Amino acid sequence: GQQVMQIPQYQHVQEGEDFTTYCNSSTTLSNIQWYKQRPGGHPVFLIQLVKSGEVKKQKRLTFQFGEAKKNSSLHITATQTTDVGTYFCAGRSGYSTLTFGKGTMLLVSP
Amino acid sequence: DTGVSQDPRHKITKRGQNVTFRCDPISEHNRLYWYRQTLGQGPEFLTYFQNEAQLEKSRLLSDRFSAERPKGSFSTLEIQRTEQGDSAMYLCAMTTGSNTEAFFGQGTRLTVV
Repeated sequence: GQQVMQIPQYQHVQEGEDFTTYCNSSTTLSNIQWYKQRPGGHPVFLIQLVKSGEVKKQKRLTFQFGEAKKNSSLHITATQTTDVGTYFCAGRSGYSTLTFGKGTMLLVSP
Repeated sequence: DTGVSQDPRHKITKRGQNVTFRCDPISEHNRLYWYRQTLGQGPEFLTYFQNEAQLEKSRLLSDRFSAERPKGSFSTLEIQRTEQGDSAMYLCAMTTGSNTEAFFGQGTRLTVV
């Protein structure tokens, strides 16, 4: 079955440093979504990428979808304490259901 | 607030007991999903409904698990003869279509003692 892997599992940064999480799929994806889950909360949708090589930005967050549509990344510039949480990628192949990665937990120290 | 309500928020039960969770969706979203999430893991797909039809079930879903969505509105997830390994957060999510964002409820945290 489809597998989605994320690295790193955990990252601790100082406020103002950049952060990147990477997502790799065992199969070619039709689209990929990113979610953020705050401690004690539920996953909240951030963005969906559909096209090969697509890059989307949301303020300090930059999302990329690989040319082969098998990998993706989320980069946060100049992290803030409000960025704390776990970031999940979730991929879909064809008409399959979303498969989530294990997530990258981000801790930001002031 | 995503408009997806789950009840109860927390449930503690003894091993062997049956439990039932409820999800009340956003009315215009016709696809309803159940996921299970354990500590340090991403949500794992359990099953999904399009309107009242249960279209897919994961291999993770043992015979002790059953889900319903009568009338295509709210949904229930029942676990019979609970085991300690069932302890997890059970999340309900809604989408409008097959390739749209998922709106998650706040989940029901189950602890089996």
